[in-house]
Amino acid sequence: AQSVTQPDIHITVSEGASLELRCNYSYGATPYLFWYVQSPGQGLQLLLKYFSGDTLVQGIKGFEAEFKRSQSSFNLRKPSVHWSDAAEYFCAVADQAGTALIFGKGTTLSVSS
Amino acid sequence: EAQVTQNPRYLITVTGKKLTVTCSQNMNHEYMSWYRQDPGLGLRQIYYSMNVEVTDKGDVPEGYKVSRKEKRNFPLILESPSPNQTSLYFCASSWRMNTEAFFGQGTRLTVV
Repeated sequence: AQSVTQPDIHITVSEGASLELRCNYSYGATPYLFWYVQSPGQGLQLLLKYFSGDTLVQGIKGFEAEFKRSQSSFNLRKPSVHWSDAAEYFCAVADQAGTALIFGKGTTLSVSS
Repeated sequence: EAQVTQNPRYLITVTGKKLTVTCSQNMNHEYMSWYRQDPGLGLRQIYYSMNVEVTDKGDVPEGYKVSRKEKRNFPLILESPSPNQTSLYFCASSWRMNTEAFFGQGTRLTVV
């Protein structure tokens, strides 16, 4: 069965420091991968997506992610974190039938000053 | 503005009292779905719809119903809510399900 693993439940990063959130997926074919962000009391907003092509994808708010097939990973990065980046981050993969997004359990990011 | 609108945002109800959470999208998307979000479990799909009058079960459909009579609307129905359905619910729509989904603001449901 397809699955998405986000190994870190909670991460604290200092403002201005770099960030990397980990995501590993289990999927037989070329996956469609997504990162979403959920701010407190808000819905989910798409940060970026990977369908094919260049394995380094750029998203909104200065985020990027790199698809590594050999490691089954799609890690999210940002060079310099801002306090407004504090939120919960979800990695997701589209399922093989194309009927659902399979989400990881999320990583909560706290930003310290 | 492209959006998915859910109502209500917050709802407290009693066990067994039927309720409906509405969802409407203005993007002419074919695909719509409902997810529930629970702490430590992430989001799990309840039901999805590929088009008008076409719906199917997701991973956690028990205790829920849906309908898709119009392309823009996809209501979630709890005929006899129970406390284990206390959760945060999200409606989503997309051109296809393996493209990016647009999510509503969420409905926080408490069943007492």
